[in-house]
Amino acid sequence: DVKVTQSSRYLVKRTGEKVFLECVQDMDHENMFWYRQDPGLGLRLIYFSYDVKMKEKGDIPEGYSVSREKKERFSLILESASTNQTSMYLCASSFRGAYEQYFGPGTRLTVT
Amino acid sequence: ILNVEQSPQSLHVQEGDSTNFTCSFPSSNFYALHWYRWETAKSPEALFVMTLNGDEKKKGRISATLNTKEGYSYLYIKGSQPEDSATYLCASTGYNNNDMRFGAGTRLTVKP
Repeated sequence: DVKVTQSSRYLVKRTGEKVFLECVQDMDHENMFWYRQDPGLGLRLIYFSYDVKMKEKGDIPEGYSVSREKKERFSLILESASTNQTSMYLCASSFRGAYEQYFGPGTRLTVT
Repeated sequence: ILNVEQSPQSLHVQEGDSTNFTCSFPSSNFYALHWYRWETAKSPEALFVMTLNGDEKKKGRISATLNTKEGYSYLYIKGSQPEDSATYLCASTGYNNNDMRFGAGTRLTVKP
């Protein structure tokens, strides 16, 4: 079974803190994605990566950066957390050329 | 339709009722339509992927249909059970498989 894990289920951080959200997949997928989900909105793509050290901006990259140093791991970084980044963050992965994505359980981040 | 839209936003049914919800998506540049089930505290789980106009897929009591010409898909649940309670997400994929657009989801609650 494909497994995508995220480092935390719940996280509470203060405004201005640097926040790291980690995602690990165990299926040797080339593609990895970070989304956020807010009430009443669909999942919105923040960044994705199609290979180690490669990254592409999604629809809402402002205030975020990513790191992919190893194939199995994709990190989302909030350089200086703000209250409008309070959200559910979902990581996903897929094979290159495949359209089915496999999701982690999500990290609910609260920035106070 | 520019975005993926789902209706209703939420639904409460009694155990044993059959129910259905709708996903509308842009029909231009369409490649595939995905349905996911997202139970609380779990990862979104893929239910169906459909690509062809007229496609119908079935998994147990859940089935889905696809109309690519008019840009909609229906998800049907026959004889709802409490374990069907979840948020059902649909997503449309364009020819670039990184471009997956999600609806806001339909939250289904099945009361025993």
